[in-house]
Amino acid sequence: EAGVAQSPRYKIIEKRQSVAFWCNPISGHATLYWYQQILGQGPKLLIQFQNNGVVDDSQLPKDRFSAERLKGVDSTLKIQPAKLEDSAVYLCASSLPPGAITAGYGYTFGSGTRLTVV
Amino acid sequence: DQQVKQNSPSLSVQEGRISILNCDYTNSMFDYFLWYKKYPAEGPTFLISISSIKDKNEDGRFTVFLNKSAKHLSLHIVPSQPGDSAVYFCAASPGGTSYGKLTFGQGTILTVHP
Repeated sequence: EAGVAQSPRYKIIEKRQSVAFWCNPISGHATLYWYQQILGQGPKLLIQFQNNGVVDDSQLPKDRFSAERLKGVDSTLKIQPAKLEDSAVYLCASSLPPGAITAGYGYTFGSGTRLTVV
Repeated sequence: DQQVKQNSPSLSVQEGRISILNCDYTNSMFDYFLWYKKYPAEGPTFLISISSIKDKNEDGRFTVFLNKSAKHLSLHIVPSQPGDSAVYFCAASPGGTSYGKLTFGQGTILTVHP
């Protein structure tokens, strides 16, 4: 089974520039998540999609961050304009719905995109 | 407001001995708990989980214990192996319609010495 795919792996941009990250979840996983992991901290949920609808974006800084999931499969996360404090690893994850037999509901993370804002 | 805390930033154990990683939480709405292992430059990898209706779950060398009254869970690794050296995160999720919104602890760096 292919895992969660993310690209690019690394990105360096100057502050005030824009950047976009791409995620392709595991086939059959209806739920997709974006997390931000700042160095030395645990991942923090930014947004959760169920198919192509947003379930929760309460922790997404909407003045500069946006995300979409077209056709309920791939997703993109965009930052515009970037700030120095946006430097972090951006992780995408996908999962099966509650009640799935698989332990942990198949909640699987991609390898992430490491963003450095200079 | 840190709802999930891992108070030990690091842990060092000898190969073959037991590793015990601890996690505390404050939100009574958490219904499902997961442990993840993370190597550098990789995403977190699912290790083991436990539902709030259980107090223990075992998978090979890994056992998770949940004490709901104390809002505490722990991960036991027996015996520890050098390949277990990684950052370990505990995470918690509400149940029902809020399922999947994982709240993570800060992580514990485990080092297993040969």
